[in-house]
Amino acid sequence: LAKTTQPISMDSYEGQEVNITCSHNNIATNDYITWYQQFPSQGPRFIIQGYKTKVTNEVASLFIPADRKSSTLSLPRVSLSDTAVYYCLVGDRGSTLGRLYFGRGTQLTVWP
Amino acid sequence: GAVVSQHPSWVICKSGTSVKIECRSLDFQATTMFWYRQFPKQSLMLMATSNEGSKATYEQGVEKDKFLINHASLTLSTLTVTSAHPEDSSFYICSAREPGNTEAFFGQGTRLTVV
Repeated sequence: LAKTTQPISMDSYEGQEVNITCSHNNIATNDYITWYQQFPSQGPRFIIQGYKTKVTNEVASLFIPADRKSSTLSLPRVSLSDTAVYYCLVGDRGSTLGRLYFGRGTQLTVWP
Repeated sequence: GAVVSQHPSWVICKSGTSVKIECRSLDFQATTMFWYRQFPKQSLMLMATSNEGSKATYEQGVEKDKFLINHASLTLSTLTVTSAHPEDSSFYICSAREPGNTEAFFGQGTRLTVV
């Protein structure tokens, strides 16, 4: 599985847009990029998944350049409740059948 | 989205005893479930894949005789920590993926403290 690299931590203020970038230089052709959010003492929660270009849902946007060696999770207008750890994962969503290997994640802290 | 529930949310046990943690898929059938462990300030580590009706598949370095996994039905997997010791104290999380869905759903986690 492709290894991912993310910043360990990021800080932001309420109302700002936050962009968290993940590097995955060894991403395979069949791999998808998935982001999860985890609050303390809770299980991770799926945020968004994409393969290329841009994906947007009600929570976030995911930008993936043409070479797919990195991706950026964009959270618009963050609030205090967005303070959490964000994980970027890369894998073949078919064959892995749910087996996920988490990296260190990015601790996002949103300040008032 | 689909719901995965764990029980208990937290448990304290004495060293040397065994503890069972349940993971249920509430609104879908899961032939495969997954167990993770997370130590404080660390990431989730995949421990094993629980397969309904067959033996679990353990990740390298995970003791199968210490972490017993049973997946007796399509909606229930259990993880039993046998002869627990303080170093087994951790946050245990299960997940499952609904058939046809590409996202994994996680339980709320179980905080195990061995004293």
